[in-house]
Amino acid sequence: QKEVEQDPGPLSVPEGAIVSLNCTYSNSAFQYFMWYRQYSRKGPELLMYTYSSGNKEDGRFTAQVDKSSKYISLFIRDSQPSDSATYLCAFENAGNNRKLIWGLGTSLAVNP
Amino acid sequence: DAGITQSPRHKVTETGTPVTLRCHQTENHRYMYWYRQDPGHGLRLIHYSYGVKDTDKGEVSDGYSVSRSKTEDFLLTLESATSSQTSVYFCATIAGEVDTQYFGPGTRLTVL
Repeated sequence: QKEVEQDPGPLSVPEGAIVSLNCTYSNSAFQYFMWYRQYSRKGPELLMYTYSSGNKEDGRFTAQVDKSSKYISLFIRDSQPSDSATYLCAFENAGNNRKLIWGLGTSLAVNP
Repeated sequence: DAGITQSPRHKVTETGTPVTLRCHQTENHRYMYWYRQDPGHGLRLIHYSYGVKDTDKGEVSDGYSVSRSKTEDFLLTLESATSSQTSVYFCATIAGEVDTQYFGPGTRLTVL
């Protein structure tokens, strides 16, 4: 079993839709949960991070962590064409020399 | 962007030739990472550094070496490039209050 599972998509939605992106993980030692966004031909950029179970909101983006189910989600409300990118989940295991464990990324296209 | 630059941004080389990629950061970060990113494989850690002259292997280190003689520079060397090393290479550092990684713009390497 892979340590992190993320559906690569592609996911295509109309502008204004609510988007749900998900990752599952198997390592209960993960402490930080991150979402990165990567535009085509660019480096990944940090979008949000969370530490505990529950929700964290930042504008149109909401990160959700369910530690009991080992499941994290990123919701995008009122999606825009500028949200078209690949979204990667990442996990940090404290004591792992500050290395992150990455999902493969989900490709999202928001169509005008 | 945590002050990270990568050079060159694009390179085409031939099988068997040595190649060195440079990552330069201006903000005195201790940790630096080299990744490669390939379709279907996501981001994979090649090598990382946790200080000057302190480096360690990642999950795909075969065929690669690194050096860090100064805090600001982390060099990745392909001793004898192979076509399987055609990829996009990203450098990253850690910045901020948690172990979130910040990426450079990437180097697109083609080995013919």
